[in-house]
Amino acid sequence: GAGVSQTPSNKVTEKGKYVELRCDPISGHTALYWYRQSLGQGPEFLIYFQGTGAADDSGLPNDRFFAVRPEGSVSTLKIQRTERGDSAVYLCASSQDRGSYNEQFFGPGTRLTVL
Amino acid sequence: DAKTTQPNSMESNEEEPVHLPCNHSTISGTDYIHWYRQLPSQGPEYVIHGLTSNVNNRMASLAIAEDRKSSTLILHRATLRDAAVYYCISGSARQLTFGSGTQLTVLP
Repeated sequence: GAGVSQTPSNKVTEKGKYVELRCDPISGHTALYWYRQSLGQGPEFLIYFQGTGAADDSGLPNDRFFAVRPEGSVSTLKIQRTERGDSAVYLCASSQDRGSYNEQFFGPGTRLTVL
Repeated sequence: DAKTTQPNSMESNEEEPVHLPCNHSTISGTDYIHWYRQLPSQGPEYVIHGLTSNVNNRMASLAIAEDRKSSTLILHRATLRDAAVYYCISGSARQLTFGSGTQLTVLP
């Protein structure tokens, strides 16, 4: 079946611009996660949705970052006034939410470059 | 989430077993031990998880120390496709806290 998909695969923008990154989770997965991965490091948790609501947004670095999931499926990560330090691969994952453990399925990521 | 410690890199010969160690000395009683791996230019991929008992699945085995302060991921026969960064994580199954992982190189 189809896995997690993310668009675009690459995004180049200029400092100060606004960007939106999209994530399509696996059908039926109620939990959705965003992570950010800088070069040479492991992914860093940003935010977790359970259905339409953000259950934990403690990883968002500042108020320039915002994410939505209005219908409980597709999610969009929005970054305002981008900075060069925002350059990274943004990963999305989804999981079911039943039982005591649910593995996360990751998408291929969106590589964001801020010039 | 508890912090984990892994070697930066390891090498293995193809078709030989690989034992990837991980220390998680500050793990709490309800924390899972998870392993994910990341192949080049891909997102992470779930490998295995455990709580207290050793676990086996089609990809690997997980051996957990009796005191839960360490664990070992075992790949029974490494292939070239197993070359990846392997992340050992302890904590919730939700907000995964990745460290730097172990870069596994498989030699033909």
